[in-house]
Amino acid sequence: SSELTQDPAVSVALGQTVRITCQGDSLRSYYASWYQQKPGQAPVLVIYDKNSRPSGIPDRFSGSSSGNTASLTITGAQAEDEADYYCNSRDSTFNLVLFGGGTTLTVL
Amino acid sequence: QLQLQESGPGLVKPSETLSLTCTVSGGSISSSNYYWGWIRQPPGKGLEWIGNIYYSGSTYYDPSLESRVTISLDTSKNQFSLKLSSVTAADTAVYYCARETSSGWYYFDYWGQGTLVTVSS
Repeated sequence: SSELTQDPAVSVALGQTVRITCQGDSLRSYYASWYQQKPGQAPVLVIYDKNSRPSGIPDRFSGSSSGNTASLTITGAQAEDEADYYCNSRDSTFNLVLFGGGTTLTVL
Repeated sequence: QLQLQESGPGLVKPSETLSLTCTVSGGSISSSNYYWGWIRQPPGKGLEWIGNIYYSGSTYYDPSLESRVTISLDTSKNQFSLKLSSVTAADTAVYYCARETSSGWYYFDYWGQGTLVTVSS
């Protein structure tokens, strides 16, 4: 099916590691990209091409993929990482763009 | 540094057509390997892809909106545009324009700041 599924909310203690996951059949064909969105701001690309980071994105952000699941890992979460995170991919059949429903990350 | 900026009315009446333009600076919309897209976000909700246009002019739309959407390029002005017809309150959202890079894989690497469009009489 042409959907990407994310957990609605995840929490992590300050300085600990958190994994945010994204599931969908399209991820067997395409790597996910990941976006961070803070309130009132546009989304920002944090991971692309499975595990590449744009300039300026801290190396505590990393990506991985296995089967139909993509993951965004934040190693040593900081207070400023509290945000909504969205995964994104392509539908392999119809050349459409897919977004996951988003995960709200709370840093405790 | 590539920059994208949305412009257009912030208020549209029900049943009318929403029209937005995205002005691109710092790069050409005619460059190969890039799609130019529109994404929206209803208040308090997630990102929704509306559609893309390739530098060649080929268009791709979300099936749920396809009957009401038109995306076009104006290479002379380095702009691309969105038209969404027969709008209802459900179309109230922040609308973003963005560049999608196609380098074997796909990702939206540049986004506009977004513009809120409210559908109300």
